[in-house]
Amino acid sequence: AQKITQTQPGMFVQEKEAVTLDCTYDTSDPSYGLFWYKQPSSGEMIFLIYQGSYDQQNATEGRYSLNFQKARKSANLVISASQLGDSAMYFCAMSPPGYSSASKIIFGSGTRLSIRP
Amino acid sequence: EAQVTQNPRYLITVTGKKLTVTCSQNMNHEYMSWYRQDPGLGLRQIYYSMNVEVTDKGDVPEGYKVSRKEKRNFPLILESPSPNQTSLYFCASSLGPTNEQFFGPGTRLTVL
Repeated sequence: AQKITQTQPGMFVQEKEAVTLDCTYDTSDPSYGLFWYKQPSSGEMIFLIYQGSYDQQNATEGRYSLNFQKARKSANLVISASQLGDSAMYFCAMSPPGYSSASKIIFGSGTRLSIRP
Repeated sequence: EAQVTQNPRYLITVTGKKLTVTCSQNMNHEYMSWYRQDPGLGLRQIYYSMNVEVTDKGDVPEGYKVSRKEKRNFPLILESPSPNQTSLYFCASSLGPTNEQFFGPGTRLTVL
């Protein structure tokens, strides 16, 4: 069965430092997608970054990058030069291989990131 | 403006009283989902829909029903709500299951 694990329930980081949020996954499918979403205290869910299992390069979006290590089944989110506005809950998620017979999407339990000024 | 809307945003109800949470998207997305968010458990998918009249169970479908009669709408129905369905519910839509999901603002449901 597919599974996403986020082992860090909470993290504190000093402003302007880089931070890595861990995500490991388990799947027997060779094709899948990995996502990161941010949930600020206001509650909305915000898409951050996507990595396809066959993508040759690690995904980057501004200050966000995804450290994808396929053999280790890890998809860690790296935030460079953290800002106070980065304080939020962060979720890792995995999608199935396209329009397969089971197109469930699964999320990890999340990591609460707090940025110290 | 591209968006996913949910109504109501807040609901307090009693055990056994049928309720419907509506979800609508204006992006012509084929894939729609319902999730519930509970502390320490992240988001868990309740049901998803690949297109009109095509729905399937997620990880926690018990006690819920859905329908997809039109592409834009994907209501969540609780026929006989129970206190363990007290949660924050999100509707989301995307072009497909491998695409970025757009989330609604959430519906906070309390079942007494």
